[in-house]
Amino acid sequence: QKEVEQDPGPLSVPEGAIVSLNCTYSNSAFQYFMWYRQYSRKGPELLMYTYSSGNKEDGRFTAQVDKSSKYISLFIRDSQPSDSATYLCAMSVNSGYALNFGKGTSLLVTP
Amino acid sequence: GAVVSQHPSRVICKSGTSVKIECRSLDFQATTMFWYRQFPKKSLMLMATSNEGSKATYEQGVEKDKFLINHASLTLSTLTVTSAHPEDSSFYICSAREEERGTETQYFGPGTRLLVL
Repeated sequence: QKEVEQDPGPLSVPEGAIVSLNCTYSNSAFQYFMWYRQYSRKGPELLMYTYSSGNKEDGRFTAQVDKSSKYISLFIRDSQPSDSATYLCAMSVNSGYALNFGKGTSLLVTP
Repeated sequence: GAVVSQHPSRVICKSGTSVKIECRSLDFQATTMFWYRQFPKKSLMLMATSNEGSKATYEQGVEKDKFLINHASLTLSTLTVTSAHPEDSSFYICSAREEERGTETQYFGPGTRLLVL
């Protein structure tokens, strides 16, 4: 079983919709959880960084971590065409150390 | 802040030649950098962890003699693909671990696209 599972999509939503992206994981030792956005042919860009369980909000983005269920989510409110990208979840046991990535979910926001 | 650059952004080379890719942390010092490889529509695969002043740690299945890593300073790590072959064609991405601002997370470079003919 892969340590981090993420539905690759593609996910297509109309502009303004609320987007929900999710990852599950198997290693209960993961404590640091990140979401990266990657545009085509570019390096990943850090969106959200959370430690342990809980919610974190930054503008239109909300990250949730449920360690009891080994489930993390990223919500995007009022989605925009510019949000169209691949979203990668990543997690690690120790902060800043080697990340375990999901496969990424391809998101398309249509005008 | 927390900007990581890579050079070159794209390189085309002949089979058998060696290619060097540079990864720089521009506004912070990074004792640890990571090198990833990404195939089309696939996730990032960690190749090696690069520590300043010491030997890199390679992931299982990654040939250390083929992918030479040098982390000579706190802002620069290099990956050299030696005797490149077409199967080495890929998107190579580095990241640098940022420790100064308390988040200790990784920031990624823009990637280097390698095509071996």
